[in-house]
Amino acid sequence: RKEVEQDPGPFNVPEGATVAFNCTYSNSASQSFFWYRQDCRKEPKLLMSVYSSGNEDGRFTAQLNRASQYISLLIRDSKLSDSATYLCVVNEGGSYIPTFGRGTSLIVHP
Amino acid sequence: SQTIHQWPATLVQPVGSPLSLECTVEGTSNPNLYWYRQAAGRGLQLLFYSVGIGQISSEVPQNLSASRPQDRQFILSSKKLLLSDSGFYLCAWSSSGGEKLFFGSGTQLSVL
Repeated sequence: RKEVEQDPGPFNVPEGATVAFNCTYSNSASQSFFWYRQDCRKEPKLLMSVYSSGNEDGRFTAQLNRASQYISLLIRDSKLSDSATYLCVVNEGGSYIPTFGRGTSLIVHP
Repeated sequence: SQTIHQWPATLVQPVGSPLSLECTVEGTSNPNLYWYRQAAGRGLQLLFYSVGIGQISSEVPQNLSASRPQDRQFILSSKKLLLSDSGFYLCAWSSSGGEKLFFGSGTQLSVL
């Protein structure tokens, strides 16, 4: 069974803090990886893809560790607006069906 | 650019009533289409997906059904709703060779 595991949190951090989430996956054939952001009662939105070499988008950095089968998301200088649930998504090569983690809740407080 | 439309945003239905949720995609052809459900505080549950007109795969046996009458139209239906059908329903699409999913704005369904 393909599984994607995330710590549900919540991660409660002050503004300006750096916070990191990990996500582990069980299917070694996984080929593509993504982080989505979901606000309460809203649809998930693609935050960033995760590349083997790691990638950065402003305050967000995503990394992939194939040997240990996990991906990570680092958020620097947290803003109140970063409060949301972050979903890890893993896709096996050639599959139509991505596997979603259940998400990690982040709460950024003043 | 591609857009996905899903409606209605909110729906309150009595137990035993029928359901029809519609989703359409614009700006692309032959997309893969998906219906997900998310119960309160839970993860996404894939209900149906479709790789082409008339091709529907069901992931979870239940009293829901899906149809794809046109290339960019995906419909979720039920003949008789159950209390357990309450949840947040999300339509999504991906390109035929792609892996990223893009979601509609969702329908919050309450069955009373």
